[in-house]
Amino acid sequence: EPEVTQTPSHQVTQMGQEVILRCVPISNHLYFYWYRQILGQKVEFLVSFYNNEISEKSEIFDDQFSVERPDGSNFTLKIRSTKLEDSAMYFCASSEGGPNSPLHFGNGTRLTVT
Amino acid sequence: DQQVKQNSPSLSVQEGRISILNCDYTNSMFDYFLWYKKYPAEGPTFLISISSIKDKNEDGRFTVFLNKSAKHLSLHIVPSQPGDSAVYFCAASWGKLQFGAGTQVVVTP
Repeated sequence: EPEVTQTPSHQVTQMGQEVILRCVPISNHLYFYWYRQILGQKVEFLVSFYNNEISEKSEIFDDQFSVERPDGSNFTLKIRSTKLEDSAMYFCASSEGGPNSPLHFGNGTRLTVT
Repeated sequence: DQQVKQNSPSLSVQEGRISILNCDYTNSMFDYFLWYKKYPAEGPTFLISISSIKDKNEDGRFTVFLNKSAKHLSLHIVPSQPGDSAVYFCAASWGKLQFGAGTQVVVTP
C-alpha cells in the first residue's frame, strides 16, 4: 500500500537555526498537510497546500514557517529560526480529495530544539 | 479553542468486549467526521469516517455513530482485540481537519 514518507525521523537543532522537514506524499494525492503534536498535547493543524499554494493555515503557522513543493514529489516544511517551543512531532499528510477525504499520515519527524 | 473534545483520556477493556469511545464537538459547521488510530512512533492511521448526512457507518468491527442534535459521535469496536490497543483520535472537518486530544485504549487479555 502506498504510504507517506518523512525524513528525517529525528532532527535535533539549536535554537535560532533553520530546519527543513521533508515529506514524500502519496503520488496521486493532490492535497498536502502539515500537523504537529507537542508532547502530551493534541495533534494540531498547521497548513494545507493544494495546487502549489497554501489553501489554509492556522495561527501557529506564522512568518517563521513556510512550505514548498519544489519538484513535484517532495513537500517540505521550513522553520526559519527555531524556538524551544517548536519542539514537537511534525506529521505530513496527503489526501486524494479535499478536507472531506481521509488523510494519510507519515510516521512523523521528531524535532528537538535545544 | 477546543472544538473537538474527547473527555476520556483512557479506556481499559477486556478482549472480546465492546470498546466505546466518545467525542463531542461544538462547531455545527463540521460536516465530516473521522476516527484515527495511532500507535507509538507512528503517524495517525485512518480508521473510519462519517458524513454529516448519515448517522451510522459500519466497517467490519468498527462502527461510528453520529448524533448531530447532540453534537456527539462515538466509535464502537466489537469485539475488541489486543492489537486495538492504541490512541484513538476523533477528528472533524470543515475546511480543515481538527483533532480531539485522543483516548488511550488498552485491551487486556
